[in-house]
Amino acid sequence: KAGVTQTPRYLIKTRGQQVTLSCSPISGHRSVSWYQQTPGQGLQFLFEYFSETQRNKGNFPGRFSGRQFSNSRSEMNVSTLELGDSALYLCASSSGSEQYFGPGTRLTVT
Amino acid sequence: SQQGEEDPQALSIQEGENATMNCSYKTSINNLQWYRQNSGRGLVHLILIRSNEREKHSGRLRVTLDTSKKSSSLLITASRAADTASYFCASTDSWGKLQFGAGTQVVVTP
Repeated sequence: KAGVTQTPRYLIKTRGQQVTLSCSPISGHRSVSWYQQTPGQGLQFLFEYFSETQRNKGNFPGRFSGRQFSNSRSEMNVSTLELGDSALYLCASSSGSEQYFGPGTRLTVT
Repeated sequence: SQQGEEDPQALSIQEGENATMNCSYKTSINNLQWYRQNSGRGLVHLILIRSNEREKHSGRLRVTLDTSKKSSSLLITASRAADTASYFCASTDSWGKLQFGAGTQVVVTP
């Protein structure tokens, strides 16, 4: 089975812009979760989608949003980028308790 | 904010030695998982221990869970240079949300 894939792998954006990241889960997995990883805050849960519905949400501002499509692929969007949004964004898919992570998208905001 | 603390923050050992790291969490959990991350890449699932289990083994890994103390430990026996990575514990709450600890950086020198 192919693993979780994330695109793009690296991204540089300017403050005030918006960005969309994509995640393709392992075939058959219906749950997709997103995490933000920074040196200062560590790994923080953003949200989880299951069957196109947001099932769980972390403590992030409304600038962070996501969605899931009928094929379980998911996107997350960050609007009005701030310097502090620079991070590694990780997506994980699961069919049970164990989560399988993608390689991440490294976002740099300048 | 993160669910738990990990101790130590960093650990340096020689090949063949054992590495032990501890994790504490704050709320009731369904299970606790340990992940490994190599240098800013995706996380790899190592082992899951359920809240009604006290100890679990997988290859060179041994995990313990003490729900009365809200703590877990990961032991890597006979460490190898390839074990050099950051190790994270993650607790799953009753809502299914995964909360990560701050991580322990392990360096294994030949």
